Amino acid sequence: NAGVTQTPKFQVLKTGQSMTLQCAQDMNHNSMYWYRQDPGMGLRLIYYSASEGTTDKGEVPNGYNVSRLNKREFSLRLESAAPSQTSVYFCASKEVDNSPLHFGNGTRLTVT
Amino acid sequence: QKEVEQNSGPLSVPEGAIASLNCTYSDRGSQSFFWYRQYSGKSPELIMFIYSNGDKEDGRFTAQLNKASQYVSLLIRDSQPSDSATYLCAVNSGGSNYKLTFGKGTLLTVNP
Repeated sequence: NAGVTQTPKFQVLKTGQSMTLQCAQDMNHNSMYWYRQDPGMGLRLIYYSASEGTTDKGEVPNGYNVSRLNKREFSLRLESAAPSQTSVYFCASKEVDNSPLHFGNGTRLTVT
Repeated sequence: QKEVEQNSGPLSVPEGAIASLNCTYSDRGSQSFFWYRQYSGKSPELIMFIYSNGDKEDGRFTAQLNKASQYVSLLIRDSQPSDSATYLCAVNSGGSNYKLTFGKGTLLTVNP
């Protein structure tokens, strides 16, 4: 049972480069999320998808775009990376309204 | 901006003692409350969730919720060195069960 799978695990980008972080879950969950975690800032919500076909902004959406490709997959795109986007990115999913989040293992992104 | 506040710590307790972790939240409409444990360099993992006022016990862990005081806590009995981690409080926010807001976490150290 893989749960939530994120790729890649590590990435180094130069300022201005673009990339897409991939996330897939095999738990048949309806809702999927992207968080970033920075020292002293905790986990902050970037975007979420309450159900297939919908996406909404979270607390820190600027500089990011998302795509809910199907029920399983939710990707996060950085169009023009900036050093301020250096962070650990977590994808998560959950089944129904009050249920807990299940996290992937994270992507450690460095932008130089 | 709905907030979730935790003491950053570090909280240091001797092995075998009770560790008490506290969390306050600002959104009176919050209905779902979660405690996650995060080891250094790893993703958050769910410890407990609580929806109703009162106590909920699971093994060595007890979650306590007081909605009137907007306060949720986690007690860890018989603390072990393996409990040393950062503990994250998460609360649904913004009138939505889809969005979870996380506190910045409390670092717990259990000394042998």
